[in-house]
Amino acid sequence: GAVVSQHPSRVICKSGTSVKIECRSLDFQATTMFWYRQFPKKSLMLMATSNEGSKATYEQGVEKDKFLINHASLTLSTLTVTSAHPEDSSFYICSARPLAGLTYEQYFGPGTRLTVT
Amino acid sequence: GQQVMQIPQYQHVQEGEDFTTYCNSSTTLSNIQWYKQRPGGHPVFLIQLVKSGEVKKQKRLTFQFGEAKKNSSLHITATQTTDVGTYFCAGRNNQGGKLIFGQGTELSVKP
Repeated sequence: GAVVSQHPSRVICKSGTSVKIECRSLDFQATTMFWYRQFPKKSLMLMATSNEGSKATYEQGVEKDKFLINHASLTLSTLTVTSAHPEDSSFYICSARPLAGLTYEQYFGPGTRLTVT
Repeated sequence: GQQVMQIPQYQHVQEGEDFTTYCNSSTTLSNIQWYKQRPGGHPVFLIQLVKSGEVKKQKRLTFQFGEAKKNSSLHITATQTTDVGTYFCAGRNNQGGKLIFGQGTELSVKP
């Protein structure tokens, strides 16, 4: 149980285009999902916290107009990178906190590797 | 802001040797979690420590939470090649509740 999927797993896009990444909790409901960014050989940097039915909370320095987050249901959150640039190339990972059960657990998705050319 | 520092950044060991990674927070933590990320994979939750001075074991892995709840360690006894990966600590402070990840320690094990 507690599986989180991300789609796509890998995407290459041209500079200036937008890319949408989906994060789904497959076998549990999650009121809260988190979006992280990870650079090679680096740690995970929290970008935003996504709450179902409300606006996402963005971390300092993360542009909310550039990284649009929508948490439409208890099992789906999306991250849209708008007008992507090469510096947005990174590994984006989501995690989901189950609605029920131990509140401290977070389950991570497999990540999406974005390359902007 | 809150910072979580982790050392060492890299550790290369011979199979059978022990391994330890240390995590230090600039502020007191309400709890700390440990994750393992295999090469090319995503972080997988290992454990959470909550109490001051807490020690937990998972087979060859021993996790400790400092008395002041500002530091933690992960010790692996007799490493195996399956232990290869990057180990991250992640602390949650007393306010806000978001996890702050350490930089991770990349472990390589030579057979």
